[in-house]
Amino acid sequence: AQTVTQSQPEMSVQEAETVTLSCTYDTSESDYYLFWYKQPPSRQMILVIRQEAYKQQNATENRFSVNFQKAAKSFSLKISDSQLGDAAMYFCAYRSRFRYGGSQGNLIFGKGTKLSVKP
Amino acid sequence: DAGITQSPRHKVTETGTPVTLRCHQTENHRYMYWYRQDPGHGLRLIHYSYGVKDTDKGEVSDGYSVSRSKTEDFLLTLESATSSQTSVYFCAISEHRAYTGELFFGEGSRLTVL
Repeated sequence: AQTVTQSQPEMSVQEAETVTLSCTYDTSESDYYLFWYKQPPSRQMILVIRQEAYKQQNATENRFSVNFQKAAKSFSLKISDSQLGDAAMYFCAYRSRFRYGGSQGNLIFGKGTKLSVKP
Repeated sequence: DAGITQSPRHKVTETGTPVTLRCHQTENHRYMYWYRQDPGHGLRLIHYSYGVKDTDKGEVSDGYSVSRSKTEDFLLTLESATSSQTSVYFCAISEHRAYTGELFFGEGSRLTVL
């Protein structure tokens, strides 16, 4: 079974600075997706960034980027120029790539990292 | 935003009473999921559905049942609620043909069992 581990329960960053959230995962599969979801106090789960395992290039979305190390099974999230609105819980998640037939594609979450942003 | 509506959004009930949470989608997505979120545990899968009347258990399915009689609706039932089922419940949907792997989430339903 796949597992996702976020070793930092809480992190803090100064506004405008850069912060990196860590995530490691365990799987025997070679084809999968990795995600970072953000959950602000409103509780809404918001997709921040996605990485397909077959792509070597690290995904980026504006101020958010990942460092995907497939061999090491590591998937960290870097937030540049941190803003007050970045304060939230961040969840790393794993999902097997879809296969036809039967039940597939369940999202497996880490326990989350609570990010605080200091003004 | 994906059209996912959860109801009720908040509910307080007593131990031993039945509770049903509803998830309604307007996206015609095939896959639907129920997760629960608890401090220190992240989100854990309760049950999921891969089509009408096709459901299966997730990681924490004990004490829960589900039904999906229409594509758009996925119901989660607690036959006899217990205090350990106090949690925030999230519904999610996905369409495998999109090949993006992403799940879209509802806004969550907070359930308190006294």
